[in-house]
Amino acid sequence: DAKTTQPNSMESNEEEPVHLPCNHSTISGTDYIHWYRQLPSQGPEYVIHGLTSNVNNRMASLAIAEDRKSSTLILHRATLRDAAVYYCILSYSGGSNYKLTFGKGTLLTVNP
Amino acid sequence: GAVVSQHPSWVICKSGTSVKIECRSLDFQATTMFWYRQFPKQSLMLMATSNEGSKATYEQGVEKDKFLINHASLTLSTLTVTSAHPEDSSFYICSAWRGLAGGVEADTQYFGPGTRLTVL
Repeated sequence: DAKTTQPNSMESNEEEPVHLPCNHSTISGTDYIHWYRQLPSQGPEYVIHGLTSNVNNRMASLAIAEDRKSSTLILHRATLRDAAVYYCILSYSGGSNYKLTFGKGTLLTVNP
Repeated sequence: GAVVSQHPSWVICKSGTSVKIECRSLDFQATTMFWYRQFPKQSLMLMATSNEGSKATYEQGVEKDKFLINHASLTLSTLTVTSAHPEDSSFYICSAWRGLAGGVEADTQYFGPGTRLTVL
C-alpha cells in the first residue's frame, strides 16, 4: 500500500489559515487522496478528497501537486473547533472495495 | 447526507460475555462496511471489510471466530465480540462506503461515532 508522511504536530492561531502538508511519493495513478479529522473519543470526520485536481468544499480546500507526490489541506480560517488529529490517507482500491490505512496523522493545535 | 450511526455508544461487560455492536447507514445504502479498532493514543486499525450478503474479509491477525461480522442489509452491519476479555477493551468504529454510485462524493468512507467497549 502507498504510504503517507505527515508532521506529527502543527500549531496555528485562531482565524488564521492553516496548511497541513502530506507527502505520498509512492502514490499510484488510481489512488485517491483522502483527508479525515478526528476529535478525541469520536469517529473520524470526512473532510475532503480528490484525485488529481484541486478540490474545494465548505470545510476546506485540497491542493494536489502536479506530480501527485504531495498534497496540502488548507483550512482557510482556523477555529478552535478545528483542533483535531488530521489524517491524510491514500485509498487502496483493491478491486471494488476501498481500504483506508490510517497513519499517525497530524495533531493540530489552534491557539485562541 | 452520509450519516452513519453506531449503537451502543459505550458498553461495559464482564469477561467471557459477548457484546454486539450495530452500525447503520442512515440515509444511504452502503455497498461495503468496514470495522476498525482504536487503542488509546493510537491510530485506527482496520479489522475487517464487510459486503452485504457475503462473508467478511478479515485483516491479518484478526480472529474471525472472535469478531463475528454480519452484514444483513445494505444499511446494517453488526460486530459481535465473542467471549470478550479485558484486552478486547477498545474503541470500535465502523464506516460505510457507498461505492462508485456516481460523483466524487461517493468515493469515500463515512464513519460512525464509535463504540467504547470496556471488559471487566
